[in-house]
Amino acid sequence: DQQVKQNSPSLSVQEGRISILNCDYTNSMFDYFLWYKKYPAEGPTFLISISSIKDKNEDGRFTVFLNKSAKHLSLHIVPSQPGDSAVYFCAATSPGGYQKVTFGTGTKLQVIP
Amino acid sequence: EAGVAQSPRYKIIEKRQSVAFWCNPISGHATLYWYQQILGQGPKLLIQFQNNGVVDDSQLPKDRFSAERLKGVDSTLKIQPAKLEDSAVYLCASSLGDRQESRAFFGQGTRLTVV
Repeated sequence: DQQVKQNSPSLSVQEGRISILNCDYTNSMFDYFLWYKKYPAEGPTFLISISSIKDKNEDGRFTVFLNKSAKHLSLHIVPSQPGDSAVYFCAATSPGGYQKVTFGTGTKLQVIP
Repeated sequence: EAGVAQSPRYKIIEKRQSVAFWCNPISGHATLYWYQQILGQGPKLLIQFQNNGVVDDSQLPKDRFSAERLKGVDSTLKIQPAKLEDSAVYLCASSLGDRQESRAFFGQGTRLTVV
């Protein structure tokens, strides 16, 4: 049962344009969401997060939007740069107890110079 | 600040053999995770430690996988005997604690190939 879904396995964007990566979740208990970025042969690194009490969080070129009613979140990268080419994982946690992070399947972003 | 260290980086074994992976988390991080990432999939949590106690091992195939965290610091993950479907990258991660804002820091992973 895939509780966090990234339906686009890959995405190609021209340098300077906007990249939009999407993520859907099914578990209504999730209330904290994270995006991780992964380069080949490296472990994932934290990128940006958002709490369910917000609908938007921005950090430089990266913005995450959360639509709780639709159980959907998206990561916007503006402007996209070739160095952004990586696999992006959406992840989610539920409240209470110890933080258990559930990951999506990932979207491979290629930014074309 | 030193990151999460894992060894070895790569391992090739034959099926039915045993293998062990080692992880040294970031100093002071109470929570340690082992994830399995099969090619084309997202990381799947195998086991989560809080200090030296297990808080979640619901997805750990306990008939062949075992893990321990010595004195609440380093951890080892063992597979015995290995199967072909165990071929994956094994990621260790650590975080400060149990708050949701305690983001996880990952090591580079160990790529296991079972032939």
